[in-house]
Amino acid sequence: DAKTTQPNSMESNEEEPVHLPCNHSTISGTDYIHWYRQLPSQGPEYVIHGLTSNVNNRMASLAIAEDRKSSTLILHRATLRDAAVYYCILRPQGAQKLVFGQGTRLTINP
Amino acid sequence: EAGVTQFPSHSVIEKGQTVTLRCDPISGHDNLYWYRRVMGKEIKFLLHFVKESKQDESGMPNNRFLAERTGGTYSTLKVQPAELEDSGVYFCASSQLRDRHTNEKLFFGSGTQLSVL
Repeated sequence: DAKTTQPNSMESNEEEPVHLPCNHSTISGTDYIHWYRQLPSQGPEYVIHGLTSNVNNRMASLAIAEDRKSSTLILHRATLRDAAVYYCILRPQGAQKLVFGQGTRLTINP
Repeated sequence: EAGVTQFPSHSVIEKGQTVTLRCDPISGHDNLYWYRRVMGKEIKFLLHFVKESKQDESGMPNNRFLAERTGGTYSTLKVQPAELEDSGVYFCASSQLRDRHTNEKLFFGSGTQLSVL
């Protein structure tokens, strides 16, 4: 499984944008970039995924580098409820299981 | 619509005892997965069911763990006999079954916190 590298932790302030980086230099052409997050005392929760183009949904935006070796999850206006561990996961097309790394622990200050 | 439900939310047992965890997936989801996080480690895949069949059980740690999904609905994960190192949080997830080229998103339950003393 291709590996991703994320910072262990990040901190931001409420109502400010947050950019969570992820490096995946060994990504292959059929790997989708998935982001999940885990809120305290909850199971992981799907956030967004993409292949080549940037993606937007109601939760976040995903910006994918042109060479696909890195990506950034963007929370446009962080709230206290966004405090969680964010996982960047490479998932080959058609692959069913997710391979979790350590993720980035995001702290939001009021 | 109900999400993925896991029972119990917490279980405390003694070493050598047996524990059975249950997972009810989202209705209509043919894919069912078990994951776990042991202390200080990453979330690890255990196994994957498609309906009642085990599709991938490469993550099962040893033969003390037995997963079943009779009838393709709910699933159970039994640990017998439990050891200290089995302590952790066990997550269940489900997803819809599409074609093999599609990455369907997984919906996770809140997990079962297992403590083996």
